[in-house]
Amino acid sequence: QVQLQESGPGLVKPSETLSLTCSVSGGSFSGYYWTWIRQPPGKGLEWIGYIDYSGNTNYNPSLKSRLTMSVDTSKNQFSLRLRSVTAADTAVYFCARRSGVAGLPFDYWGQGTLVTVSS
Amino acid sequence: DIQMTQSPSSLSASVGDRVTITCRASQSISNYLNWYQQNPGKAPNLLIYAASSLQSGVPSRFSGSGSGTDFTLTISSLQPEDFATYYCQQSSSTPMYTFGQGTKLEIK
Repeated sequence: QVQLQESGPGLVKPSETLSLTCSVSGGSFSGYYWTWIRQPPGKGLEWIGYIDYSGNTNYNPSLKSRLTMSVDTSKNQFSLRLRSVTAADTAVYFCARRSGVAGLPFDYWGQGTLVTVSS
Repeated sequence: DIQMTQSPSSLSASVGDRVTITCRASQSISNYLNWYQQNPGKAPNLLIYAASSLQSGVPSRFSGSGSGTDFTLTISSLQPEDFATYYCQQSSSTPMYTFGQGTKLEIK
């Protein structure tokens, strides 16, 4: 059974950097797009971006200037760094798996982690 | 970007009811439409992919239909565990797979 688990600080100060890691177990790490999605409290889902096994990335244009994703294939982990955060970045952050085959959905998700941006 | 619009935004229904949720895309997405269920404090759970294919383990009372720009999710007989928020999501326009705004299904 594929499992994803997010980890990282739950509180980040404004203007600082939000860093999260997603650990993947129970399945292949190659052949998928490893994705970050966030959900502000009480609101809908926003696609942040993805990284693949080779380190190729694609980011939401609205976040691209502040965003970096990386992958550690030796640990089956991928990470997100979002710089210069504001209160608008407060959200539950989910990691999810998407097949490398075009058109397929997000089939496995982490449980999500709440990140609050506050001083 | 492809915009996804769900209706209604909220819906009250009773156990045993048949309910339908609609999702409309701003341009044709063929059948690249997925449906998720989200319970409070939980991650979304995939119900339907490719507009009408039932994800493994999902009860058969859930069904999806549509193609092009108009899609529906139907629950044939509501069960207590079905009261949740439902999201549609297009997987036609890579890389940004956009979501609808959600439909909250509440107990009447």
